[in-house]
Amino acid sequence: AQKITQTQPGMFVQEKEAVTLDCTYDTSDQSYGLFWYKQPSSGEMIFLIYQGSYDEQNATEGRYSLNFQKARKSANLVISASQLGDSAMYFCAMREGYVRDDKIIFGKGTRLHILP
Amino acid sequence: ETGVTQSPTHLIKTRGQQVTLRCSSQSGHNTVSWYQQALGQGPQFIFQYYREEENGRGNFPPRFSGLQFPNYSSELNVNALELDDSALYLCASSLKGSSYNEQFFGPGTRLTVL
Repeated sequence: AQKITQTQPGMFVQEKEAVTLDCTYDTSDQSYGLFWYKQPSSGEMIFLIYQGSYDEQNATEGRYSLNFQKARKSANLVISASQLGDSAMYFCAMREGYVRDDKIIFGKGTRLHILP
Repeated sequence: ETGVTQSPTHLIKTRGQQVTLRCSSQSGHNTVSWYQQALGQGPQFIFQYYREEENGRGNFPPRFSGLQFPNYSSELNVNALELDDSALYLCASSLKGSSYNEQFFGPGTRLTVL
């Protein structure tokens, strides 16, 4: 079973509109962390935002916010006022518990296209 | 603050050859993780090094091996290359024990196996 599911392979959004990228996860751990990364065509993974499983407030970082719904195991990324430079692949990822190896499990990604 | 760097940026090898990829961690970080990203997929965890020892491994065969040096830089070695090893190889550094062990990624090495 997939640990991280991103159901939108691609999205097209008009510049300046808000966009929501979906992510659901599967874990039996009580303690875990959720990440969103942006990957432009250059290939580098850029950290956007983090949400801990015990954090009661939704995380926000500038134009990025994470809509965390723990009971639904959902961690959607919201980008407000989208810009042309937001066009990229977006990955949702999870770190389970305080595991020894701290590995991050990634979803398959969503390719976001911002239209002028 | 120096970010994560990787070398080389691109590499072409043939089946059966061996390859070494290098990663310099971000200043102040003590942990390096390696990921393989096939085309159109998310990154897959290969292994992690902490204090010069392997600190966890994903579902990769033993021909994938690594090293971490006292300055926390790291190498990924792949023996007996196969066509399916063609991918972007990403390394990420982090500081174990920090608030959420955020991993900072390098630009990657794109390996093509012919």
